Amino acid sequence: EDQVTQSPEALRLQEGESSSLNCSYTVSGLRGLFWYRQDPGKGPEFLFTLYSAGEEKEKERLKATLTKKESFLHITAPKPEDSATYLCAVQVKGGSEKLVFGKGMKLTVNP
Amino acid sequence: DTGVSQDPRHKITKRGQNVTFRCDPISEHNRLYWYRQTLGQGPEFLTYFQNEAQLEKSRLLSDRFSAERPKGSFSTLEIQRTEQGDSAMYLCASSRSGSGNTIYFGEGSWLTVV
Repeated sequence: EDQVTQSPEALRLQEGESSSLNCSYTVSGLRGLFWYRQDPGKGPEFLFTLYSAGEEKEKERLKATLTKKESFLHITAPKPEDSATYLCAVQVKGGSEKLVFGKGMKLTVNP
Repeated sequence: DTGVSQDPRHKITKRGQNVTFRCDPISEHNRLYWYRQTLGQGPEFLTYFQNEAQLEKSRLLSDRFSAERPKGSFSTLEIQRTEQGDSAMYLCASSRSGSGNTIYFGEGSWLTVV
């Protein structure tokens, strides 16, 4: 069964304290790995899609990387407005269009 | 383009009543998805449409759930005879085939069954 595991489940950082969020996955064949940001009571906001091992994408203070077994979301010098839940999801080869999500990682950045 | 639009944003209903949610995808997006999310969990896939055809359904989609996309534009998700376990946020998403699989979500419709 295709699985996505995110760790840690929650993370508290001080403003400016860089860190990384981990997303490990077990799938029969990876078609794409997605990162979303979700604020309380709102829908997920698209951040990145990664397709192959070695690929990296950046957006402001966020950088996503992908290996054959996991993805990392690096947050450099975070600000309080980066506080949110970060969701990782995979899309699997074989015809299904569904995304399989992890449980998410709640990030709190204190000023 | 205002993104994926969902209505209503919040719905409180009594157990046993029927509820319907509407989703308007981003214009020109031919793919539409429904997901369900409960507190502390990631979204779970329910169903997927390409144009007006429902191509994929999760086993989570019991007989009480039905989704339609009659003209390949907006979609509705109906839950019949609601149960307390149906309380969740129902998320709609859309994408355009050939766009590199970028899937955009709406703000969700919160359902509380009392």
